[in-house]
Amino acid sequence: KQEVTQIPAALSVPEGENLVLNCSFTDSAIYNLQWFRQDPGKGLTSLLLIQSSQREQTSGRLNASLDKSSGRSTLYIAASQPGDSATYLCAVRSDGGSQGNLIFGKGTKLSVKP
Amino acid sequence: DAGVTQSPTHLIKTRGQQVTLRCSPKSGHDTVSWYQQALGQGPQFIFQYYEEEERQRGNFPDRFSGHQFPNYSSELNVNALLLGDSALYLCASSRDWEAFFGQGTRLTVV
Repeated sequence: KQEVTQIPAALSVPEGENLVLNCSFTDSAIYNLQWFRQDPGKGLTSLLLIQSSQREQTSGRLNASLDKSSGRSTLYIAASQPGDSATYLCAVRSDGGSQGNLIFGKGTKLSVKP
Repeated sequence: DAGVTQSPTHLIKTRGQQVTLRCSPKSGHDTVSWYQQALGQGPQFIFQYYEEEERQRGNFPDRFSGHQFPNYSSELNVNALLLGDSALYLCASSRDWEAFFGQGTRLTVV
């Protein structure tokens, strides 16, 4: 059974700092991995999608890496801003190919202090 | 291009009642999935619909049922509501590889 773990559960940093969020999964047979952002009480916003054949994806100040063999992914946020404060969720898609369900971690709650 | 839209945004129901939540997928998306997110937890997969049929189902009781219409929109029905059904219900649509989520429906059971 696939399980996804995110460490740390919460993180507080001063504005401008670079930071790394971690995601690990127990079964390396994934189809893809997706990082989401969730503001309090809101839905999920897709940040980055990494296919199983890829090593990393970049969008603006965000960079996500994937190491399937070790069951790990990291989300790197450069030059953090107060607007980055949110919960970041990692999810893997395992069975069912491209339309299989997503399995989520519990998220990392990020607070960026001005 | 409208994204995934869900209605209503909030609702309060009494234990034992039934509720229907609605979802319109992103334009061009033919697959709709439903997730339940309890406070402080990651979303949990309920079920997925494709071509008007339930294709996959998570570990949820039969009180949770759904439907997909020919225009790909979907409904989630929950019967005999329990206090523990209080959660944020999220709808996601996808066509290839990437999932897009709606803003969710906050259900409170009292």
